[in-house]
Amino acid sequence: DAGVIQSPRHEVTEMGQEVTLRCKPISGHDYLFWYRQTMMRGLELLIYFNNNVPIDDSGMPEDRFSAKMPNASFSTLKIQPSEPRDSAVYFCASSLRTALVSQETQYFGPGTRLLVL
Amino acid sequence: ILNVEQSPQSLHVQEGDSTNFTCSFPSSNFYALHWYRWETAKSPEALFVMTLNGDEKKKGRISATLNTKEGYSYLYIKGSQPEDSATYLCASGVASGGSYIPTFGRGTSLIVHP
Repeated sequence: DAGVIQSPRHEVTEMGQEVTLRCKPISGHDYLFWYRQTMMRGLELLIYFNNNVPIDDSGMPEDRFSAKMPNASFSTLKIQPSEPRDSAVYFCASSLRTALVSQETQYFGPGTRLLVL
Repeated sequence: ILNVEQSPQSLHVQEGDSTNFTCSFPSSNFYALHWYRWETAKSPEALFVMTLNGDEKKKGRISATLNTKEGYSYLYIKGSQPEDSATYLCASGVASGGSYIPTFGRGTSLIVHP
């Protein structure tokens, strides 16, 4: 498996523009996570999905952020409109849940480095 | 969201030194503790997952211990090498309602000087 795939790897945009980040999880994984990494806050969980259904979006900073998972192999994180304070590295991760007693490891994608000017 | 603390925030050592750092987490309803290694410009990669009090895991020169009663885990690196330079993240959480979502600490940034 190629691992978790994210695109684009780098994105530079102007304030007010819409930004869409994409993620392809590892095939067969039923959990997908979106994280944001900044110097100030470290690695923050934004939202996670289980079997394509959003379970907890309490980490999404505000209504400008939205995430979808239309199928098991694709998810998007959208920021509209973008602001300079959204500049960060956004990671997608996936994991496999087989039973409550399992200790799932999250597999991270390479991240998308976003810069909003 | 749990309070997962890591210390120190950063660490500089010389090549050949052995080092260790700490992850603290709430001990009540503990489920699992993960260590990840995160190299600059790459993505975090899993090192260990531990669940039982007293667990010890080892991978090469890196090892980890777990104390669930007092809520801490130590990561040890023996004979540090420059390639060990990375941020080491720990993550922990509780299982609730069939779900387990760990909270990540801020990480310990290790720099090994040749």
